[in-house]
Amino acid sequence: QQQVKQSPQSLIVQKGGISIINCAYENTAFDYFPWYQQFPGKGPALLIAIRPDVSEKKEGRFTISFNKSAKQFSLHIMDSQPGDSATYFCAASVTQGGSEKLVFGKGTKLTVNP
Amino acid sequence: GAGVSQSPRYKVAKRGQDVALRCDPISGHVSLFWYQQALGQGPEFLTYFQNEAQLDKSGLPSDRFFAERPEGSVSTLKIQRTQQEDSAVYLCASRRWAGPYGYTFGSGTRLTVV
Repeated sequence: QQQVKQSPQSLIVQKGGISIINCAYENTAFDYFPWYQQFPGKGPALLIAIRPDVSEKKEGRFTISFNKSAKQFSLHIMDSQPGDSATYFCAASVTQGGSEKLVFGKGTKLTVNP
Repeated sequence: GAGVSQSPRYKVAKRGQDVALRCDPISGHVSLFWYQQALGQGPEFLTYFQNEAQLDKSGLPSDRFFAERPEGSVSTLKIQRTQQEDSAVYLCASRRWAGPYGYTFGSGTRLTVV
């Protein structure tokens, strides 16, 4: 129940195309859903995040779509650029008993070809 | 400092050795987390501190793993009698206040047990 399932495992798009990564969860106690971008040898960096009472959030070329009833959320990267090539992780935050943690998906390796 | 600093960046340990991994969070950040990231996987929660109090250690894989943050700033993750399955990147993250927002991750320590 603590899992976040992410797909696809890898994705190749052409420059200027749309990249779409999907995630699903079961635990209704999750209350915050961030997306992280990770380059090789670096730690994850927060890209964009959404709360479950919002269905969509857009920041520049990045959009999160959130479907609470389906327990699914997705990241859309518009006008994908070679510099977007990285591994993307969806995550979900749970706060219980004075503690909190992020539960991450397994990641999607995005390659944007020039 | 400007970011979360982790040292060493790389550590090779012989099986059975003890190791200590250091995390210097952003100055003034109250919350500190340790995550373990196996190769090709998403980070997995290990433990959470609020100031010097360790509020959650439920993710520590075994009693060989120990974390401390005695003065509420620098934290050390210690692994005793290292095993090959301990090989991973160990990530530290910090945040100014409680609540799921605004994590900053360090670049991690890559531990290889041979």
